[in-house]
Amino acid sequence: KQEVTQIPAALSVPEGENLVLNCSFTDSAIYNLQWFRQDPGKGLTSLLLIQSSQREQTSGRLNASLDKSSGRSTLYIAASQPGDSATYLCAATNAGGTSYGKLTFGQGTILTVHP
Amino acid sequence: SQTIHQWPATLVQPVGSPLSLECTVEGTSNPNLYWYRQAAGRGLQLLFYSVGIGQISSEVPQNLSASRPQDRQFILSSKKLLLSDSGFYLCAWSAGTNPGSPLHFGNGTRLTVT
Repeated sequence: KQEVTQIPAALSVPEGENLVLNCSFTDSAIYNLQWFRQDPGKGLTSLLLIQSSQREQTSGRLNASLDKSSGRSTLYIAASQPGDSATYLCAATNAGGTSYGKLTFGQGTILTVHP
Repeated sequence: SQTIHQWPATLVQPVGSPLSLECTVEGTSNPNLYWYRQAAGRGLQLLFYSVGIGQISSEVPQNLSASRPQDRQFILSSKKLLLSDSGFYLCAWSAGTNPGSPLHFGNGTRLTVT
């Protein structure tokens, strides 16, 4: 059974700092790894999707990497801004077993960027 | 472009009352549809998913049911709500042809059972 873990659970940084959010998964049989952002009381917004054959994806100040063999993904946020404050979730799309095609989510990292 | 609508945004219901949450998707056909629940302090839990009209798969035994009467409509229901049904319910869709397609979420419904 796939398990996804995110570290740290919460992170508080000053504006302008570069930061890394970590995501690990136990089963390397995945189609892709997705990173989402969730603002309080809102749904999830997709940020980046890395296919299992890819190593990284970039969108603006965000860069996500994937090391499938070690079961790890990182989300790098450059020059953080207060507007980046949100909960960030990663999710692995399972490629095998009874969870085929379904996502397993981590618990999320609550990010606070203070001015 | 594709959009997903979910309503109501918030709902307060007494224990034992019925529930109906609705989700519709526009701009795509034959999507995969999902209902997730996000409880405080816990991750997202997949409740139901559907690959087509009338095709519903349940992930966990519970007090809830789902139906898909039309291609782009997904409904979450309960005949009698329990306190433990409180939570944040999210509808989502993905393209039906590729199991690795991105997942797109609605804005969620905050359900409080009193």
